[in-house]
Amino acid sequence: DGGITQSPKYLFRKEGQNVTLSCEQNLNHDAMYWYRQDPGQGLRLIYYSQIVNDFQKGDIAEGYSVSREKKESFPLTVTSAQKNPTAFYLCASSAGQYSSYTFGSGTRLTVV
Amino acid sequence: GQQVMQIPQYQHVQEGEDFTTYCNSSTTLSNIQWYKQRPGGHPVFLIQLVKSGEVKKQKRLTFQFGEAKKNSSLHITATQTTDVGTYFCAGYGDYKLSFGAGTTVTVRA
Repeated sequence: DGGITQSPKYLFRKEGQNVTLSCEQNLNHDAMYWYRQDPGQGLRLIYYSQIVNDFQKGDIAEGYSVSREKKESFPLTVTSAQKNPTAFYLCASSAGQYSSYTFGSGTRLTVV
Repeated sequence: GQQVMQIPQYQHVQEGEDFTTYCNSSTTLSNIQWYKQRPGGHPVFLIQLVKSGEVKKQKRLTFQFGEAKKNSSLHITATQTTDVGTYFCAGYGDYKLSFGAGTTVTVRA
């Protein structure tokens, strides 16, 4: 079955360490997205990519970095520059303009 | 940029009652999409509305797109405990969806 996989489900890191969250899709979707969700809050866009080797900053890109070397993969790195990294991170993909999004099951990152 | 606003932010409903959540955009939308996120889960696509005045139903859920294509509503009839979660509306702008803040629904049995 096609889908979008995020790993790991839970991640713990010490403050000051960079951490990379994985997102892989086998839906053959061109576009991929990273969102951050804090408790009781909505979805805030971090980065998005509409095509391989190209990506754009979203609303809260500071302290994060991404790469899109393959169509299937869109990893997110949370750097030590991100002041409040503890959150629920969601990856999504879509076939393109006006298409619905398919979300992964998310990664809960806790920084101590 | 485009903004999508949802009200209410929280909806506490007695089981069996009806309720409606509303979505408003600052600009005309090409389409509106609705998603549901169960507690502890991830958003799941429910439906897309494209035409002005369009109404679609999914069992006890009724979705409507406004005539001016700037607002939408989700009406749930005879609420059940399975309806708990957060409902997001989203509209396309700049090649990506803008999500509303969501309406979080709790149900009293």
